[in-house]
Amino acid sequence: QKEVEQDPGPLSVPEGAIVSLNCTYSNSAFQYFMWYRQYSRKGPELLMYTYSSGNKEDGRFTAQVDKSSKYISLFIRDSQPSDSATYLCAMMDTNAGKSTFGDGTTLTVKP
Amino acid sequence: EAGVAQSPRYKIIEKRQSVAFWCNPISGHATLYWYQQILGQGPKLLIQFQNNGVVDDSQLPKDRFSAERLKGVDSTLKIQPAKLEDSAVYLCASSLQTNTEAFFGQGTRLTVV
Repeated sequence: QKEVEQDPGPLSVPEGAIVSLNCTYSNSAFQYFMWYRQYSRKGPELLMYTYSSGNKEDGRFTAQVDKSSKYISLFIRDSQPSDSATYLCAMMDTNAGKSTFGDGTTLTVKP
Repeated sequence: EAGVAQSPRYKIIEKRQSVAFWCNPISGHATLYWYQQILGQGPKLLIQFQNNGVVDDSQLPKDRFSAERLKGVDSTLKIQPAKLEDSAVYLCASSLQTNTEAFFGQGTRLTVV
């Protein structure tokens, strides 16, 4: 079993929809949670990061962490065609300084 | 602030040939990572440096892969000899320290034929 499991997708939504992207994890040592966006033929770009359980908002993006359930989510409100990309969750064991990535969910937002 | 620079962007080689990738991290970032990303998968850590020392190379196939970061800045990843299954995107990333978020370069897409 992988340490990080990400909903595989692909996901296709109409413009303006609310998108939910999800990951679960099994390693209790993960304390730092990140979301990256990766456009085709580009490197991953850091979107959001948080240490805490609860919600963190940045514009149309909200990162949610539930450490008790070992579950994290990224919500995108009012999705735009420019949000079409692969979204990667990543989790860090801060004591070891080591991050583990999910396999990504590919999102397409149709105009 | 300049990002992580990688070269080349693309490389096609025949199996059993050798290849080298170069990375220049963000200025001031002590930690440098090399990841392998196979199509449809997330990045997998190959090696992690803190300054010019290796922190983690447990996933590096040491019979064919090598990496160095001689002066604690630039890094080179080499594959010799290449196999078909090495076809992937090789991503370099850097972070201020080992327990902070990483910033990625554009990657080098390697095709082994």
